[in-house]
Parts: sequence; structure tokens; C-alpha cells
Amino acid sequence: NAGVTQTPKFRILKIGQSMTLQCTQDMNHNYMYWYRQDPGMGLKLIYYSVGAGITDKGEVPNGYNVSRSTTEDFPLRLELAAPSQTSVYFCASTNTEGGQPQHFGDGTRLSIL
Amino acid sequence: GQNIDQPTEMTATEGAIVQINCTYQTSGFNGLFWYQQHAGEAPTFLSYNVLDGLEEKGRFSSFLSRSKGYSYLLLKELQMKDSASYLCAVKDSNYQLIWGAGTKLIIKP
Repeated sequence: NAGVTQTPKFRILKIGQSMTLQCTQDMNHNYMYWYRQDPGMGLKLIYYSVGAGITDKGEVPNGYNVSRSTTEDFPLRLELAAPSQTSVYFCASTNTEGGQPQHFGDGTRLSIL
Repeated sequence: GQNIDQPTEMTATEGAIVQINCTYQTSGFNGLFWYQQHAGEAPTFLSYNVLDGLEEKGRFSSFLSRSKGYSYLLLKELQMKDSASYLCAVKDSNYQLIWGAGTKLIIKP
């Protein structure tokens, strides 16, 4: 079972470049999330989606955009990369708001130089 | 504001027992999760508590007291592979997970 798949695993960007982090899940989950994790810090929610066509901002949305055209895919877009966006990005999904755990992808390690 | 506190780092001996504490102050409460995260890997689910009391799952147990805003994760018969970070996360009134910074557990032989 693939679960949650993120690509790429590693990327180095120059300041001002743009890129899209891909996330796809094959569990038919309605809820999907994008987090960033900085060293020594907890996961911070960037954006989330409760279903296809519905997205909403999390705690740290500035500098990012998302779309959810299908249940499976939830890409994260960085338009003008800045050094502050150097982080590890995790995509996660779950099928309810209740006690079901979120399932995580392996992460994308992004460096902005 | 919302806040979750965990110790930054703990050290324990192989075969022993360790308790990792988590205290929280959040806007609403809809459950508490514990995740394990090995270095360079994604978090993986360990346990979920929504009612007061102890949930046991093999070598791992998790306890919750909602009135005290407190939880702990108990790891028994520690193994070297238990060396990891342990993340506490609370689901708030908006059903969003608020994450602690994690506790790095070091197991020594």
C-alpha cells in the first residue's frame, strides 16, 4: 500500500524561484494537510483541505498556496522562495475529524539558498 | 494562545521504563495523540486518548487527565529502536492538531 506519497524528497532552490511540492494519497481520505517542521519545533499547519475543491489556511500560510482538484492530490506551491521557507514539509491525510490518526508522507527536505 | 509543553530530551536505559509528560492549554479539546518520529523520518501514530484514563497498547501506554490538561506516554521494556522523538498533539475546538515540539528520547545500553 502506497499511503501518502510526496515528491520530491529533497530540493535546493534559489531565492525567488518557485516550485510545487506534490502530495498524493490512495486511501480515499477526505482530509489532507500540509505541515512544515523546523529543527526543535513542533509541526506547524500551513494549509488543509476537507475535500476536493475546499481548502483553508492554517497557522503559517504566508508564502504558500494550495489547490485540491481531486480527492487524491493536494499540491503545495511556493511562489517566491525565501530562506525562511527552508524546512521539512510533510503532507498528511485522514478520513475523519475524530480519533482517526493522520497518516504522513515521508517528507520533502527543502533548502532555499 | 495555545500551548503544548513537553521535555526537550530524556535519557533512559535499555530494558527500563520511561514516562514522557505532556501538558496542554488549547482552545477546546477533541482528543490527544502521541506520535513517534525517528530522525529523518515521518511521524507515525502511537496512541489516542479522548477520555480520562489509561490506554494500553503492548509496551506503550498513554494516560489522559482532561481536568489537569495533562497526558503521559509510558514506554516499558525499552529497546534501542525506541530511540526517537515523541510528539504530543492535541485536537482543538476547530479539529486542528496543535503539536508539541517533541521529546527526544535517548536509550543507552
